[in-house]
Amino acid sequence: SAVISQKPSRDICQRGTSLTIQCQVDSQVTMMFWYRQQPGQSLTLIATANQGSEATYESGFVIDKFPISRPNLTFSTLTVSNMSPEDSSIYLCSVEGTGITDTQYFGPGTRLTVL
Amino acid sequence: GQNIDQPTEMTATEGAIVQINCTYQTSGFNGLFWYQQHAGEAPTFLSYNVLDGLEEKGRFSSFLSRSKGYSYLLLKELQMKDSASYLCAVRGGGSYIPTFGRGTSLIVHP
Repeated sequence: SAVISQKPSRDICQRGTSLTIQCQVDSQVTMMFWYRQQPGQSLTLIATANQGSEATYESGFVIDKFPISRPNLTFSTLTVSNMSPEDSSIYLCSVEGTGITDTQYFGPGTRLTVL
Repeated sequence: GQNIDQPTEMTATEGAIVQINCTYQTSGFNGLFWYQQHAGEAPTFLSYNVLDGLEEKGRFSSFLSRSKGYSYLLLKELQMKDSASYLCAVRGGGSYIPTFGRGTSLIVHP
């Protein structure tokens, strides 16, 4: 299994500002994933981040709004830009495990509130 | 795309057995996962099914029927700490990244 940490754990931000969320993994991984979980909703994949290449975004998510960096095999950042109250959510970083199931391991999440 | 359906909320009594169902529609099915998520915490992996049948792991079991697009998670000897959200996730449609259902909030009461 992988141990994943995220910073910050929570934040309250003003609309129009940006917040960068950091994700650190205790081992080298090829793929890192960013999810959003809105209250009472499922986990929604925002993008997949490979080291050394542009992130791949899911339908409904764009790079200008959610720029992602992946500078090495253990670290990634997600920025939520020009925030609005609709961006209030939990943002989770995830990595894929090895083995037959390829299950995913999740970080503790960042709880974002936009006023 | 994939369509995953599970009940929004269930309640059960401590010591009892509860079954949480998940139905799905997908092409190219390639695995079903169950995760447990306590409030304010990250989802944690519980089980994985890719072939039909029952997988047992302690107090938790997971069942899959691919022909029916159906799975259930069975929790035995319920404990208060089992109160959590249980997420069904399906991998298919040519993607190795699973799609998550909305989750079932299980409330265990004394």
